Amino acid sequence: GAVVSQHPSRVICKSGTSVKIECRSLDFQATTMFWYRQFPKQSLMLMATSNEGSKATYEQGVEKDKFLINHASLTLSTLTVTSAHPEDSSFYICSARDLGSNEQFFGPGTRLTVL
Amino acid sequence: AQSVSQHNHHVILSEAASLELGCNYSYGGTVNLFWYVQYPGQHLQLLLKYFSGDPLVKGIKGFEAEFIKSKFSFNLRKPSVQWSDTAEYFCAVNAEGTYKYIFGTGTRLKVLA
Repeated sequence: GAVVSQHPSRVICKSGTSVKIECRSLDFQATTMFWYRQFPKQSLMLMATSNEGSKATYEQGVEKDKFLINHASLTLSTLTVTSAHPEDSSFYICSARDLGSNEQFFGPGTRLTVL
Repeated sequence: AQSVSQHNHHVILSEAASLELGCNYSYGGTVNLFWYVQYPGQHLQLLLKYFSGDPLVKGIKGFEAEFIKSKFSFNLRKPSVQWSDTAEYFCAVNAEGTYKYIFGTGTRLKVLA
């Protein structure tokens, strides 16, 4: 099946700093990627839809200035958590939609810990 | 708004026992339905999906699910679980014509050897 990678897999940062997370589709092109957040023992909550070449669409309650999304190519989307605070600590997962199969494939996730 | 509920948060079974995990969704229109599995330390993997046609869907690793439209349900089943099925299982829905997935809260399955 199609492979989606995320980098880094884990990141620890100080409060107030910004963290960038990359999501790549390795063997297919994805015009649409999705960013989810998963709190411990909870489900995946969709944060935003990342569209190649255009602005991301954010879900209600997600601050677009806090979570910057860039989808500069058909295989790469980035999520930048700006001025991170401890409450931003979470597991961030991306998925990419394969145009051919119309199926979403998920990355392995990035665990962010803000001290 | 769409929502997905999974009734069992934690399930513990012995090997060879039968499994059924419940999933109900709320949405009045046409939906696509999915079950994903997340093994410890690994990423989400698709077990099976339903788009249309036969409401009984067979997936990988011996799993199957049945879509019952009148009950808004898509329960996951496996006749005989193995220790290696220990994982977290997520039901997901997306409304036809959209790409957004709505996930249930997940069910953590532990199979005792």
